[in-house]
Amino acid sequence: QSALTQPRSVSGSPGQSVTISCTGTSSDVGDYNYVSWYQQHPGKAPKLMIFDVNKWPSGVPDRFSGSKSGNTASLTISGLQAEDEADYYCCSYAGSYNDVVFGGGTKLTVL
Amino acid sequence: QLQLQESGPGLVKPSETLSLTCTVSGGSISSSFYYWGWIRQPPGKGLEWIAHIYYSGSTDYNPSLKSRVTMSLDTSTNQFSLNLGSVTAADTAIYYCARLQYNWHYDYWGQGILVTVSS
Repeated sequence: QSALTQPRSVSGSPGQSVTISCTGTSSDVGDYNYVSWYQQHPGKAPKLMIFDVNKWPSGVPDRFSGSKSGNTASLTISGLQAEDEADYYCCSYAGSYNDVVFGGGTKLTVL
Repeated sequence: QLQLQESGPGLVKPSETLSLTCTVSGGSISSSFYYWGWIRQPPGKGLEWIAHIYYSGSTDYNPSLKSRVTMSLDTSTNQFSLNLGSVTAADTAIYYCARLQYNWHYDYWGQGILVTVSS
């Protein structure tokens, strides 16, 4: 079981859009639509932003959207705001023995 | 509103066993819709799945930790627990407990507890 691959950092200006990729394998991201994304501000617990690839939990703005193609999932944040600056983690079900695998995390900087 | 709270020692000696408890309020851990899990985050690093447990007591463990990890739950106190044996400095991390939905996402998290492994 290997961690999902995310870029270490991305950045964008307020109002712009950024996309964070999350690359797995045919045994996790590619085989299941159980990809979720989490936002983590410094010193805080992670917060669920997207689940089932592209669904929003209650209270999450639709500026956050998710998608998947093959073994790669993506999180797009449109209309960037200062408060979006945080670390973002993807997560996928990995089947086999009901494993779960996280990505290494991406630091989003709002310029 | 569901709430989860981790508790346990903040300092554990090398080679000893790390024991943590998660207390759930505002909902029952006996529900068949959820798993209950542990995730950890070494300082300055990413999240790592440790394990989860179903209300029936069935468990799944991260293969890299499986030989050292056990989880249990106590429905009478609405708590679930983590034991990690033979700890080393590499096990120093913030440990989070969380609710894992049947469709494999964590929707509620505890605030986390920092556990340091040091003599």
